[in-house]
Amino acid sequence: AQSVTQLDSHVSVSEGTPVLLRCNYSSSYSPSLFWYVQHPNKGLQLLLKYTSAATLVKGINGFEAEFKKSETSFHLTKPSAHMSDAAEYFCVVSYNNAGNMLTFGGGTRLMVKP
Amino acid sequence: GAVVSQHPSRVICKSGTSVKIECRSLDFQATTMFWYRQFPKQSLMLMATSNEGSKATYEQGVEKDKFLINHASLTLSTLTVTSAHPEDSSFYICSAIMGSTEAFFGQGTRLTVV
Repeated sequence: AQSVTQLDSHVSVSEGTPVLLRCNYSSSYSPSLFWYVQHPNKGLQLLLKYTSAATLVKGINGFEAEFKKSETSFHLTKPSAHMSDAAEYFCVVSYNNAGNMLTFGGGTRLMVKP
Repeated sequence: GAVVSQHPSRVICKSGTSVKIECRSLDFQATTMFWYRQFPKQSLMLMATSNEGSKATYEQGVEKDKFLINHASLTLSTLTVTSAHPEDSSFYICSAIMGSTEAFFGQGTRLTVV
């Protein structure tokens, strides 16, 4: 069985400061891990994915995430938040490298203050 | 990345009527499509998996007679909410994969039943 826990339901940062969105996973298999962003009333956009290659994954819009097997974590970071980063973020795990049959975390709402 | 289009983006229907939501893969052939439901401020919950030319596989607790899924071609899957009631009001999102690729998400459909 696999599961994903996003440790914070809400994160608030000031524009220009670093962003950290936390994600822990459990999986009986070698996981594929994803971060998606969802703006209000919109679908999901893939930010980045880990599929057993480099443990530090760089994504779009300046985001990156590091896969830490020993900590079963895949935290999402960005050095400097922008107002347009305000959205809902989902950490997702897949039990196969294909990326289908996804299990979603509960989501983290990122708020960016001017 | 590949494009998945959902239509309509918003729909309001009267209680007791049926509404159809379309999910199209615009630039690739989708061997499998997935339908999700998202309640306000919550994560996505998988409703069903749809393979072209075969019956959909529904998740536990999802009424297959209420949520009819048809995947008649490699580029189109439809979700029909039959005899809709206010509790069916939700945000519905589809995703599509081609073979073993990552999932690509539609922009979602906001259904309001009045």
